[in-house]
Amino acid sequence: DSGVTQTPKHLITATGQRVTLRCSPRSGDLSVYWYQQSLDQGLQFLIQYYNGEERAKGNILERFSAQQFPDLHSELNLSSLELGDSALYFCASSVLAADSSEQFFGPGTRLTVL
Amino acid sequence: AQSVTQLDSHVSVSEGTPVLLRCNYSSSYSPSLFWYVQHPNKGLQLLLKYTSAATLVKGINGFEAEFKKSETSFHLTKPSAHMSDAAEYFCVVSLYSSASKIIFGSGTRLSIRP
Repeated sequence: DSGVTQTPKHLITATGQRVTLRCSPRSGDLSVYWYQQSLDQGLQFLIQYYNGEERAKGNILERFSAQQFPDLHSELNLSSLELGDSALYFCASSVLAADSSEQFFGPGTRLTVL
Repeated sequence: AQSVTQLDSHVSVSEGTPVLLRCNYSSSYSPSLFWYVQHPNKGLQLLLKYTSAATLVKGINGFEAEFKKSETSFHLTKPSAHMSDAAEYFCVVSLYSSASKIIFGSGTRLSIRP
């Protein structure tokens, strides 16, 4: 158990809908990362927050947005969902924002868009 | 631009024999390099990381990796495979520059034959 929690575990929704994925980092970790894992794209870094501020941006679509709240939990919002958004979404956390920081991964949220 | 290439999508070895998972990277700057492991239906776990200290890095579960700048490689090895090593392995490049990026390789699936 990494100490990172993600809810929900599974999510099934329809095209065009909007969903919110939630992540609670390990106690004491200030940095939160979001990743998408799909069969065709592999593991892709989406976005990172550090202590409430956006720190780094990867291949995140404009339909997706994220934020980190004062209690350090983070939410990833996915809107206007398409079939291709079906994937496993991981959250990770680390103590620092440095590129050498070890990240601790949550168990993931499996999103299925029908 | 940064990139990471895992040279084998699937490696199969017999239990008790050595493991070699190959990773080459490309980076304009000195990156941090990681190997993560993902067991089926689980999140990712850090095996080891290189952050410009010793070029031979020791990780968990008997894994090692050697950073070779001249070859731009960071191959993962283990002297003797165990059945529990069967998993997906990801090589990761991380660099916080003006274009902050975390890039995962496409993954290598390691199978262990009894």
